[in-house]
Amino acid sequence: AQKITQTQPGMFVQEKEAVTLDCTYDTSDPSYGLFWYKQPSSGEMIFLIYQGSYDQQNATEGRYSLNFQKARKSANLVISASQLGDSAMYFCAMREGRGYSRLTFGEGTQLTVNP
Amino acid sequence: ETGVTQSPTHLIKTRGQQVTLRCSSQSGHNTVSWYQQALGQGPQFIFQYYREEENGRGNFPPRFSGLQFPNYSSELNVNALELDDSALYLCASSPRRSALTDTQYFGPGTRLTVL
Repeated sequence: AQKITQTQPGMFVQEKEAVTLDCTYDTSDPSYGLFWYKQPSSGEMIFLIYQGSYDQQNATEGRYSLNFQKARKSANLVISASQLGDSAMYFCAMREGRGYSRLTFGEGTQLTVNP
Repeated sequence: ETGVTQSPTHLIKTRGQQVTLRCSSQSGHNTVSWYQQALGQGPQFIFQYYREEENGRGNFPPRFSGLQFPNYSSELNVNALELDDSALYLCASSPRRSALTDTQYFGPGTRLTVL
């Protein structure tokens, strides 16, 4: 069963506008962590933001924020004031509390920022 | 602080051959995970090493094997290469084995092509 679902294969946004990338997850573990990574065409996965299942507030890191809706099992990434350099593949990932720190990734969303 | 490094960056092999990929973890990190990312897909977990022992494994056959050395660097070995092994191989390090909040930091990847 797919544990991370990213339903937007591609998204387009105008420079300086905000964009939301969707992510839903499935787990029976009450303890889990959610991560977003950015992957430019060079291939390296760049960590953006983390949200823990017990965190009371939505995580924020600069222009990135995570809209965490636990009851809906969604963890959407919001990028404010998009820049041309934000054009990349974005992956949502989850780590469950039990066992080792294995990440399960979604299929990704290709974001294109237009000038 | 030195980030995660991987070598080589690109590799071309023929079917049936064997390959070794290398990863140096970020300073202070004792856990290394390996992921395979096929074109157009999210990364898939191969296995994780903690203090020189395999600490968890994904759904990959035994011809995928690894090592971790006392300095926490790691190798991924793939025997009897198949065409489907063509992918980007990503190494990630983290400070601890199973802390939920620990972020995995990725290297730039090794792109393997099997002909």
